[in-house]
Amino acid sequence: DAKTTQPTSMDCAEGRAANLPCNHSTISGNEYVYWYRQIHSQGPQYIIHGLKNNETNEMASLIITEDRKSSTLILPHATLRDTAVYYCIVSPRTGSARQLTFGSGTQLTVLP
Amino acid sequence: DVKVTQSSRYLVKRTGEKVFLECVQDMDHENMFWYRQDPGLGLRLIYFSYDVKMKEKGDIPEGYSVSREKKERFSLILESASTNQTSMYLCASSLSLGGFYGYTFGSGTRLTVV
Repeated sequence: DAKTTQPTSMDCAEGRAANLPCNHSTISGNEYVYWYRQIHSQGPQYIIHGLKNNETNEMASLIITEDRKSSTLILPHATLRDTAVYYCIVSPRTGSARQLTFGSGTQLTVLP
Repeated sequence: DVKVTQSSRYLVKRTGEKVFLECVQDMDHENMFWYRQDPGLGLRLIYFSYDVKMKEKGDIPEGYSVSREKKERFSLILESASTNQTSMYLCASSLSLGGFYGYTFGSGTRLTVV
């Protein structure tokens, strides 16, 4: 399974874009990039996923580099409620449950 | 709004007790999962189920069992609770085993074994 590397923590000013990086240099061709977040004392929440094209939904945008070795999750206008731990995960589409591995993630703190 | 509901947010149990953690989902998902989350260790998969009465061991099944008698309900059982099972327990459900369509998690049960 591909491993991911994320910064331990980041700060972002409220109203600004939060850009969260993730390195996944050993990603395989059939593996997708997923992002989840976990607000304190709650379960993780699915945000977005992608294979090689950039993706956008109502929560965030996902930018995947052309070589697929890294990606960036973008929260376009961060709010205080976006303060959470953000997890970047890689897993094949038809993988088993064991392959969806949550690491330590990035603690994003949105500052007023 | 789709939901995964865990029966308790906080539980305190004594060593040796049999503990039941209940999870219900209203999304008609085939697949359900139990994780535990500990500081510095991330989420670890305990058991999962891909159909009623079907179950598979995850990465850390020792000391746990599960039951899935109905599609919407997945129970985690601690046969004889021990202090090293003090943890946050998270239930999730998904359309696919590998989570391609995203996992929906419950709010978690924080279990303390004394």
